[in-house]
Amino acid sequence: NAGVTQTPKFQVLKTGQSMTLQCAQDMNHEYMSWYRQDPGMGLRLIHYSVGAGITDQGEVPNGYNVSRSTTEDFPLRLLSAAPSQTSVYFCASSPYPPGNGIWQPQHFGDGTRLSIL
Amino acid sequence: DAKTTQPPSMDCAEGRAANLPCNHSTISGNEYVYWYRQIHSQGPQYIIHGLKNNETNEMASLIITEDRKSSTLILPHATLRDTAVYYCIVRADTDKLIFGTGTRLQVFP
Repeated sequence: NAGVTQTPKFQVLKTGQSMTLQCAQDMNHEYMSWYRQDPGMGLRLIHYSVGAGITDQGEVPNGYNVSRSTTEDFPLRLLSAAPSQTSVYFCASSPYPPGNGIWQPQHFGDGTRLSIL
Repeated sequence: DAKTTQPPSMDCAEGRAANLPCNHSTISGNEYVYWYRQIHSQGPQYIIHGLKNNETNEMASLIITEDRKSSTLILPHATLRDTAVYYCIVRADTDKLIFGTGTRLQVFP
C-alpha cells in the first residue's frame, strides 16, 4: 500500500513547455485534489475530483487542466508553462469529499517541485 | 464561507504544552474545524477535527469555545519534531478544503 504517489519529485521546464504531473493512489479513494504551495504561503486548491469522470475547479484553476479517467489516477496538466507556475504541487486523496457526512482525513503525497525558467 | 485567522508564528519550549489559537468568527452551525500540519515542506498531515465538543486523540487536543467562534489546538508535550506549520481549516463548502497560511510553530530545546 503506497498511499499517494506523485511523480516526478523535481522538474525544471522552460516557459511555454507543457508537462503532466502524475498522481496515483492505491486506496480506492473517490476524492482527489491538487494544491499548489508558493514560498511562505499556504496551500491553494487548483482542481479537485469527487470521482472518476468528474472534475471541478478550485481557487486557482487558470493554466491547469485535469482529468479523472480512473479512480486511481488524477494527472495535472500544464499546457504552456509560465514562470508564475513555479511552485510545489501536492496531490491529495480521501475516501469521500470533505463535506460528506462520513468524513475521513485527506492523505497527501510528498509533492512535486516545479521550476519554470 | 467561514474564514480563519491564526498568528503567523509561535515559539514553544520542548516538553511544554503548545497552544495554537484559531479564530473563525463566521463559522456556521454545520461546519467542522480541522487541523493539519506540514513539516518541512512535506505533504500536510491530518491532526484532529471537531464540531462542538472538545476532542482528543494520540496527537493533540482540540478545544472549541461554546460560541464556536474560536478554537485552540493543544500539543500537550511539544517535541522538536512538532516544529511545523499548523493549519486551522473550516470547511469552505461541500467539496473543498481550503487552507490558509497557518501558524509556524518553532519548538526549541
